[in-house]
Amino acid sequence: AQSVTQLDSQVPVFEEAPVELRCNYSSSVSVYLFWYVQYPNQGLQLLLKYLSGSTLVESINGFEAEFNKSQTSFHLRKPSVHISDTAEYFCAVSDVPGGSYIPTFGRGTSLIVHP
Amino acid sequence: DTEVTQTPKHLVMGMTNKKSLKCEQHMGHRAMYWYKQKAKKPPELMFVYSYEKLSINESVPSRFSPECPNSSLLNLHLHALQPEDSALYLCASSQEGGSSYTQYFGPGTRLTVL
Repeated sequence: AQSVTQLDSQVPVFEEAPVELRCNYSSSVSVYLFWYVQYPNQGLQLLLKYLSGSTLVESINGFEAEFNKSQTSFHLRKPSVHISDTAEYFCAVSDVPGGSYIPTFGRGTSLIVHP
Repeated sequence: DTEVTQTPKHLVMGMTNKKSLKCEQHMGHRAMYWYKQKAKKPPELMFVYSYEKLSINESVPSRFSPECPNSSLLNLHLHALQPEDSALYLCASSQEGGSSYTQYFGPGTRLTVL
């Protein structure tokens, strides 16, 4: 069974500042990793995912995450945030085929961007 | 088309009412899910349908009754709910057996039980 830890429940930051949202996981097998974003009063949207290949993955709106197997981490970063990035961010992990395909979600990190 | 649709967007019901939530996807996905989400919390898995058969029931009370009429539709029938059942109900789908295991979520139904 896998687990996901998002250490920060809330991250306040000023507009145009860089941000890092932390995600660590534990699993006895290989994993797929995901970041989902949930804007106020909306459902979850897939932001980016790591399945295999390059350990650095990027989203279309400037976020990136790097899979670090030795540190079992998948931190989300953005070099310059906008007010519109204010949202709840969930890290999720699921076992590579052969295991459960149901993702385990972290508790979420609330990113609050101030003007 | 990577869209999952859910209706209604909002639902207010009394504890004696019977209502249904609907979810639809046209991505050819064969796994569909119901989640319950409380404010500022991660989604909690309720049910999983795989190839239109219920494969996972996470010990959900019987006042929630799922139904999968076909591979594109998923319903959640509600009866005699409690105020603590008020939450955002999310539907998701994924290509089970595929290489991505990526879940696509709908916008959710905001349920209030009075």
